[in-house]
Amino acid sequence: DAGITQSPRHKVTETGTPVTLRCHQTENHRYMYWYRQDPGHGLRLIHYSYGVKDTDKGEVSDGYSVSRSKTEDFLLTLESATSSQTSVYFCAISPSGVSYEQYFGPGTRLTVT
Amino acid sequence: SQQGEEDPQALSIQEGENATMNCSYKTSINNLQWYRQNSGRGLVHLILIRSNEREKHSGRLRVTLDTSKKSSSLLITASRAADTASYFCATDANGAGSYQLTFGKGTKLSVIP
Repeated sequence: DAGITQSPRHKVTETGTPVTLRCHQTENHRYMYWYRQDPGHGLRLIHYSYGVKDTDKGEVSDGYSVSRSKTEDFLLTLESATSSQTSVYFCAISPSGVSYEQYFGPGTRLTVT
Repeated sequence: SQQGEEDPQALSIQEGENATMNCSYKTSINNLQWYRQNSGRGLVHLILIRSNEREKHSGRLRVTLDTSKKSSSLLITASRAADTASYFCATDANGAGSYQLTFGKGTKLSVIP
């Protein structure tokens, strides 16, 4: 998976609890992305980062925040998890932005009960 | 709304046959990419075609792009059981400062041995 790890790989949490997902890369790529994948919706962009401390919203950012304090780490936080945030979350990295291929992590399956 | 939409949603073929998947999109693009996802795994980049290209090959893969029709096709020749996966097209938006890829919902390909 191109030097990308995600942790945890599986998590079950209760509604209302905070959750943080971590993406770690060893490729020193500038761009990092968080997606969620749901049946019937495909892959949708939550947030992305184009550098340390530089982030922006994607298509489905409500209820999510991100932080990137180091090149290698991109954190996705659900401040107060809801059942609608049950999904598979993928991190991706890219060396040069959207006009180049993205490399995906193995995913985190999150269940909010 | 989704920028790219794949067709068909599902495709089942015999090993050795060719598989063709189509992608339509709505707005002007800089490039179009195809990805594969095996069950339970992250997406893997297959091929990128730029808006000024009409056809591109990579091994058993052939991608065409028709910008006048806003459509692309992915052809997998001489399919193998290992090609069983979901295939997604992804497009960027032809606009300054856009770092986002928009994925379609995918075509699920089953190759029967």
